[in-house]
Amino acid sequence: DIQMTQSPSSLSASVGDRITITCQASQDVSKFLNWYQQKPGKAPKLLIYDASNLGTGVPSRFSGSGSGTYFTFTISSLQPEDFATYYCQQYDYVPYTFGQGTKLEIK
Amino acid sequence: QVQLVESGGGVVQPGRSLRLSCTGSGFTFSNSDMHWVRQTPGKGLEWVAFISYDRSREFYVDPVKGRFTISRDNSKNTLFLQMNSLGPEDTAVYYCAKEGSTSGYYWGRFDYWGQGTLVTVSS
Repeated sequence: DIQMTQSPSSLSASVGDRITITCQASQDVSKFLNWYQQKPGKAPKLLIYDASNLGTGVPSRFSGSGSGTYFTFTISSLQPEDFATYYCQQYDYVPYTFGQGTKLEIK
Repeated sequence: QVQLVESGGGVVQPGRSLRLSCTGSGFTFSNSDMHWVRQTPGKGLEWVAFISYDRSREFYVDPVKGRFTISRDNSKNTLFLQMNSLGPEDTAVYYCAKEGSTSGYYWGRFDYWGQGTLVTVSS
């Protein structure tokens, strides 16, 4: 199975900050990488698909980049509603696998 | 709007069975590939199973192969997960998710999720 490693596992930041989360795949997954946001007690929500494409209705402050084994996810200016846990997920190979998550907390 | 509603979770003893259901609305269910994904505090998010819109393809994660079966009834807009020989390691919140890719040959983009149903395997 492909292992997805996110960094950092947790992050404290303030409203208005720019933050970046990285995701490393244990082997090449091409562009087949998604990013999700999850709030407590809720299902994950698709934010970015195919590494860099914005999901439906997702604000433009969210962005993604990368290919192969290294990917980044950026929020350009944190808003109060962005404090949540973020996951990367590859879908180049079955089984589809997720990173362990990055918990974004208010500083 | 797209809505997915799971049901069927609960507390079940080890070795027993449970069937989860997921009813979809707000989209053409019969044209949509579907997945089950589960989540535990310890292991995080784990994709469980996939079924194509026409039931011609099914994929499973190794730990559930031979124990879980994904199926669907397009006439009722409903997805199922039959879970047999349950063990404590199957305790999780189970989500159904709609496939978002339209490529027809790459699957694994979960564009809409249900609210989840909790399965607890305990004696």
